[in-house]
Amino acid sequence: AQKITQTQPGMFVQEKEAVTLDCTYDTSDPSYGLFWYKQPSSGEMIFLIYQGSYDQQNATEGRYSLNFQKARKSANLVISASQLGDSAMYFCAMREGWDSNYQLIWGAGTKLIIKP
Amino acid sequence: NAGVTQTPKFQVLKTGQSMTLQCAQDMNHNSMYWYRQDPGMGLRLIYYSASEGTTDKGEVPNGYNVSRLNKREFSLRLESAAPSQTSVYFCASSEAVGGVAYGYTFGSGTRLTVV
Repeated sequence: AQKITQTQPGMFVQEKEAVTLDCTYDTSDPSYGLFWYKQPSSGEMIFLIYQGSYDQQNATEGRYSLNFQKARKSANLVISASQLGDSAMYFCAMREGWDSNYQLIWGAGTKLIIKP
Repeated sequence: NAGVTQTPKFQVLKTGQSMTLQCAQDMNHNSMYWYRQDPGMGLRLIYYSASEGTTDKGEVPNGYNVSRLNKREFSLRLESAAPSQTSVYFCASSEAVGGVAYGYTFGSGTRLTVV
């Protein structure tokens, strides 16, 4: 079974509109972390935002916020006031547990294109 | 600039050739990782090193070996390259704060083609 599911392979959004990128996850571990990364066409992976499973508040970083719905196991990324530079692949990833195995499990990504 | 440095950025190999991908980080992170990224898929973990002196297999280790040379450097070796190993390879590092790894820093990637 997929541990991280991103159901939107691609999205087109008008510049300045808000964008929601979906991510659902599957884990039985009560301790986990959720990450969003941006990968522009140049190829590098850029960290955007992090949410821990015990965090009470939704994470925010500038124009990025994470809509964390624990009971539904969803961690959607919201980008406010989208810009042309937001066009990129976006990946949701999860770290399970606290032990020394700090690997990330990745979704397949969503390709976001911002239209002028 | 502080971060993760990978070399080379591009490489073309013939089937059966060997090569080593180099990775170094200057953030004093304990943990380092090698991932591969294939079209239409998320990153998949090849090997990781939770700390200096230890290495462990990830999801797709077959055909690869790694060496954690010291705290800074973590190399990935393909002993006999196959076309199925055509991919983009990312090295990453992370540090734990209170036992929790918050931030992962990635290198810029190596685009490997095996013909």
